[in-house]
Amino acid sequence: KAGVTQTPRYLIKTRGQQVTLSCSPISGHRSVSWYQQTPGQGLQFLFEYFSETQRNKGNFPGRFSGRQFSNSRSEMNVSTLELGDSALYLCASSLGQGASSGNTIYFGEGSWLTVV
Amino acid sequence: DAKTTQPPSMDCAEGRAANLPCNHSTISGNEYVYWYRQIHSQGPQYIIHGLKNNETNEMASLIITEDRKSSTLILPHATLRDTAVYYCIVRLRGGSGGSNYKLTFGKGTLLTVNP
Repeated sequence: KAGVTQTPRYLIKTRGQQVTLSCSPISGHRSVSWYQQTPGQGLQFLFEYFSETQRNKGNFPGRFSGRQFSNSRSEMNVSTLELGDSALYLCASSLGQGASSGNTIYFGEGSWLTVV
Repeated sequence: DAKTTQPPSMDCAEGRAANLPCNHSTISGNEYVYWYRQIHSQGPQYIIHGLKNNETNEMASLIITEDRKSSTLILPHATLRDTAVYYCIVRLRGGSGGSNYKLTFGKGTLLTVNP
């Protein structure tokens, strides 16, 4: 069974531009969450979507947004890019919300964003 | 979520068992212990999780102390490909709401497997 798929894998953007990253969760998974990883801050939670609704949000500015479609695929958008947005953006999926024995979170390979 | 403490780095000889410790002294009865690892430039890979019993799968074994204040991840026969940062995470058990929807990553342990 295919894992979490993220596109694009690498991209370079200029300050002030906006970017959209895409994530296809594992088949049957309904919860999709996004994380940002930088050398200085480590892995940080951005937001989580379940049934097309944002259920939880981390401590990031409003420039970071996302959405989830009816097929559970998700996109995240970053507007007015800043140099500090350069990071590995990770998408993760799970069957449902919450921690239970069968509700493990699985990660994709990530999208490397470089802002110049 | 309870905080975890892990050594910043460890070395292991190829073919030997790698034992990675994790302290989670403030864990509550409703929190799972999860282990992930991240090989450079890749997404975190799920390894194993447990609540209070020891667990084993094809990748590793998880030993949780009886008081649940610490755990050890065991890779029985480490290979060079096991070189990675290993994260020990506790996550609240239960349904939606609270903080159990996310994983809170610390700095993890960099395990280096040497030939």
